[in-house]
Amino acid sequence: ETGVTQSPTHLIKTRGQQVTLRCSSQSGHNTVSWYQQALGQGPQFIFQYYREEENGRGNFPPRFSGLQFPNYSSELNVNALELDDSALYLCASSSLSSGYYNEQFFGPGTRLTVL
Amino acid sequence: GENVEQHPSTLSVQEGDSAVIKCTYSDSASNYFPWYKQELGKRPQLIIDIRSNVGEKKDQRIAVTLNKTAKHFSLHITETQPEDSAVYFCAAISNTGKLIFGQGTTLQVKP
Repeated sequence: ETGVTQSPTHLIKTRGQQVTLRCSSQSGHNTVSWYQQALGQGPQFIFQYYREEENGRGNFPPRFSGLQFPNYSSELNVNALELDDSALYLCASSSLSSGYYNEQFFGPGTRLTVL
Repeated sequence: GENVEQHPSTLSVQEGDSAVIKCTYSDSASNYFPWYKQELGKRPQLIIDIRSNVGEKKDQRIAVTLNKTAKHFSLHITETQPEDSAVYFCAAISNTGKLIFGQGTTLQVKP
């Protein structure tokens, strides 16, 4: 098992609501990436945070936003939830050093269901 | 744009046979290629990776090869076992740190 944790494990929301998902990175890692994994598909990159700044973003609308804290933990916020937002949300912890991106280790994920 | 194509989507082999999964990437700036194994309901687990300055890497029954010129990389599993059954994802990371995943290969190892 990795040292990456996520909360909550499962979440049920209704359309239009807002949700906050949390991720604690592995000790020694300074980078957190968030992914959305729909059923039967590969993870899709949402965005990455490095030293509390957004460091790259995938093709997701602005209602997907995030934060990284001084201890490198991170939050993913999704506003105005839509049915298609139902998915497994994964965070991955890694370290960026000397310009090299190193291995990304995934947390267990949060299963979000939007009704 | 950045894209990773993965084939086949499903693969069924007999226990003890070899399995090969192939991926192609589009971003010539990609310099790191991990492979993940994901069992049902669980997180993706890194099983092997390779950097762009290496052509091949092996770890026991698992090996990965990289052809930078052709932008191809492959996963080879020898002496497959039933516990190898899972979904396997290849991925490529660009110099901006964005990890792009393939569509996944469902591997079934029949006892």
